[in-house]
Amino acid sequence: DTEVTQTPKHLVMGMTNKKSLKCEQHMGHRAMYWYKQKAKKPPELMFVYSYEKLSINESVPSRFSPECPNSSLLNLHLHALQPEDSALYLCASSHILGRSNSYEQYFGPGTRLTVT
Amino acid sequence: SQQGEEDPQALSIQEGENATMNCSYKTSINNLQWYRQNSGRGLVHLILIRSNEREKHSGRLRVTLDTSKKSSSLLITASRAADTASYFCATDGRTGGGADGLTFGKGTHLIIQP
Repeated sequence: DTEVTQTPKHLVMGMTNKKSLKCEQHMGHRAMYWYKQKAKKPPELMFVYSYEKLSINESVPSRFSPECPNSSLLNLHLHALQPEDSALYLCASSHILGRSNSYEQYFGPGTRLTVT
Repeated sequence: SQQGEEDPQALSIQEGENATMNCSYKTSINNLQWYRQNSGRGLVHLILIRSNEREKHSGRLRVTLDTSKKSSSLLITASRAADTASYFCATDGRTGGGADGLTFGKGTHLIIQP
């Protein structure tokens, strides 16, 4: 199984709502990532989890709260978002090889989020 | 912050022709990767080249890396309509650790005309 799944595929939420994005992989990867992609732009890194611990936070606003409950699951909790947060949110996973090395990342199809 | 800059930003060619895309980056890297994205969907990994490699092949793909110029190129030979997509280079090297987020270039949108 080389698939990363993301739910939901589409999400529309108001600025006062609380919602969560979910990501799952069963490839035994111990690194998981959240990226944000605006239309016609490249993905931008938000968070990295390594062995279920947050290792990189790219100065993301606190209205985005990541969580890694176990080695297969990654959540992104959303609260009090702004319309400019509307984007495609991509989850990815990879093996961890060692320092100064990396494996390819496997991406999910993304959740298209619209904040109204 | 943007690490890579792709060139050209858009490329339209006839089916069967070769497509070449270039990428430049600013800081030192461990590896450089190329990904493909079909119209707003997830990214698919194409090829990874390590900083001590100069050229790599995979099927119809050929990637070169010039660390002295901080640049890479992706060549797709004998293009097909199914190659129509956006192509991104991506670099690591943020932390030197084994789980390193990627920094993507701006991308090249490739259109293959039948």
